[in-house]
Amino acid sequence: LAKTTQPISMDSYEGQEVNITCSHNNIATNDYITWYQQFPSQGPRFIIQGYKTKVTNEVASLFIPADRKSSTLSLPRVSLSDTAVYYCLVLNDYKLSFGAGTTVTVRA
Amino acid sequence: NAGVTQTPKFQVLKTGQSMTLQCAQDMNHNSMYWYRQDPGMGLRLIYYSASEGTTDKGEVPNGYNVSRLNKREFSLRLESAAPSQTSVYFCASSEAQDFYGYTFGSGTRLTVV
Repeated sequence: LAKTTQPISMDSYEGQEVNITCSHNNIATNDYITWYQQFPSQGPRFIIQGYKTKVTNEVASLFIPADRKSSTLSLPRVSLSDTAVYYCLVLNDYKLSFGAGTTVTVRA
Repeated sequence: NAGVTQTPKFQVLKTGQSMTLQCAQDMNHNSMYWYRQDPGMGLRLIYYSASEGTTDKGEVPNGYNVSRLNKREFSLRLESAAPSQTSVYFCASSEAQDFYGYTFGSGTRLTVV
């Protein structure tokens, strides 16, 4: 599995945009980039997935440069309810393993 | 629309006791998984079942056994609980090879004293 590196924590304020960058230097050709979100006392839930360029859904955007060695999850106009742990995963195997993730804390 | 249901939600065991964590999904998914989550360590895969009738070890299988009872149910058994198994346990399911479609249960918080 490709190793990923992401910041341990990030702080933000309501209404700001939060960008979390994940490094995955040894990503393989068939690997997809997937992000999950986990609220306290809940299981993770899928946010977004991409292979290259940009993907957008109602929750977030995912930017992937041409070399695919990194990716950036963008959360627009965050609210207090976006406080959570965000996990970046790179894989082509359905056995997911999650690292420590990035703890995003949104303040009023 | 229950998704993945785990029972129990909380459990306290004494060292050496045994117990089974239950997991059931109603989405007709082929694959099911058991994870444990410890503070600051993310989620680590214990066992998985790619399809009914098959099970395989994940990253941290020691001290656990699993049973894929049918397509809906996947149980995790601790034969002789140890304090190191104090953790939050999550069950998940997905379509085979559908790694963006994982659905997780709400977890079982297990304390071994």
